[in-house]
Amino acid sequence: DAGVIQSPRHEVTEMGQEVTLRCKPISGHNSLFWYRQTMMRGLELLIYFNNNVPIDDSGMPEDRFSAKMPNASFSTLKIQPSEPRDSAVYFCASSLQGIGYEQYFGPGTRLTVT
Amino acid sequence: DAKTTQPNSMESNEEEPVHLPCNHSTISGTDYIHWYRQLPSQGPEYVIHGLTSNVNNRMASLAIAEDRKSSTLILHRATLRDAAVYYCILMIYNQGGKLIFGQGTELSVKP
Repeated sequence: DAGVIQSPRHEVTEMGQEVTLRCKPISGHNSLFWYRQTMMRGLELLIYFNNNVPIDDSGMPEDRFSAKMPNASFSTLKIQPSEPRDSAVYFCASSLQGIGYEQYFGPGTRLTVT
Repeated sequence: DAKTTQPNSMESNEEEPVHLPCNHSTISGTDYIHWYRQLPSQGPEYVIHGLTSNVNNRMASLAIAEDRKSSTLILHRATLRDAAVYYCILMIYNQGGKLIFGQGTELSVKP
């Protein structure tokens, strides 16, 4: 398996623009997680899905952020409008559903908002 | 959220064992102890997890105290490639498998 796939790997955009980050989980995994990492705040869980259904979005910073999972093999994280403080590395991870299973992380998308 | 406490940094010499401690005094009986590591410029990587008994895998060993209020990740022979930030995380039984990362321990390995 290719592992968790994220695209793009790097994104540079101007403040106010819409940004869409994409994630393809490992085939057969039914849980998907979006994280954000910054130097100041470390790794933060934004939202996670079980069987394509959002379970906990309490980490989503504000209404400018939205995430979808239309099917088991694809998820998006959208920021509209983007702001400089959204600059971070965004990771997607997938796992089998349940407490005892490990999460597999993608390589991340480095977002820079100028 | 259940909290873990780890030293900010540790140093090790290459080819020597490394013991990375973690305190989790508020752990409940159904919480799993997970360890992940993050190498520079990469996403986090699963290392090991356990519930009550000590665990071994090809990467490391996990020693869990009898009262489960602390645990230790053991790297049996550190290599330069083990230099990373190591995170000790409690996976809460009724929270669907989500991980709450703390600051972790930055491990440096000297040749």
